[in-house]
Amino acid sequence: EDQVTQSPEALRLQEGESSSLNCSYTVSGLRGLFWYRQDPGKGPEFLFTLYSAGEEKEKERLKATLTKKESFLHITAPKPEDSATYLCAVQAGSNDYKLSFGAGTTVTVRA
Amino acid sequence: EAGVTQFPSHSVIEKGQTVTLRCDPISGHDNLYWYRRVMGKEIKFLLHFVKESKQDESGMPNNRFLAERTGGTYSTLKVQPAELEDSGVYFCASSDRGSYGYTFGSGTRLTVV
Repeated sequence: EDQVTQSPEALRLQEGESSSLNCSYTVSGLRGLFWYRQDPGKGPEFLFTLYSAGEEKEKERLKATLTKKESFLHITAPKPEDSATYLCAVQAGSNDYKLSFGAGTTVTVRA
Repeated sequence: EAGVTQFPSHSVIEKGQTVTLRCDPISGHDNLYWYRRVMGKEIKFLLHFVKESKQDESGMPNNRFLAERTGGTYSTLKVQPAELEDSGVYFCASSDRGSYGYTFGSGTRLTVV
């Protein structure tokens, strides 16, 4: 069974204090690794998809990277509006659209 | 374009009652998924429709759960009879044919008392 582990569970940052979130995974045949952002009372909002080791993607203050065993979501100079739960999910196997999620990292950025 | 719409947003029912959740996917999206998050746990897959056909229902917890997608448009998820452990947030998502990226709805928070 696919396993996705995110750390830390919670992260409190001062505005401007850069940090990284970790997502380690154990899957058979990774098809894609996804990062989502979830705000309270909302559904997950798509951020990035990474498909192969060495791939990187950026969006504003967020940068996602992928290795063969883990992915990192780097938050550079965060702002209070970056406060959210960040979810990592994987798709694996052939012709399988199912996502396996980690438990998430809740990020709080204080002004 | 309109997003994925779910309703109701909240539902509180008594144990043993029946509840039906509805999901309207993005127009034209062939793939529709149901997921749920129970308290303190990860979001878990329930099932996947391609148009009106069930492609994968391996995540459905038991036969008290019935999902339908009539005409390949909206979908319903019925829980009958509801049990306390069914409480959680039920998410629907949709994606276009051949796309692995999902758009999620805001979810239905189900509380069984």
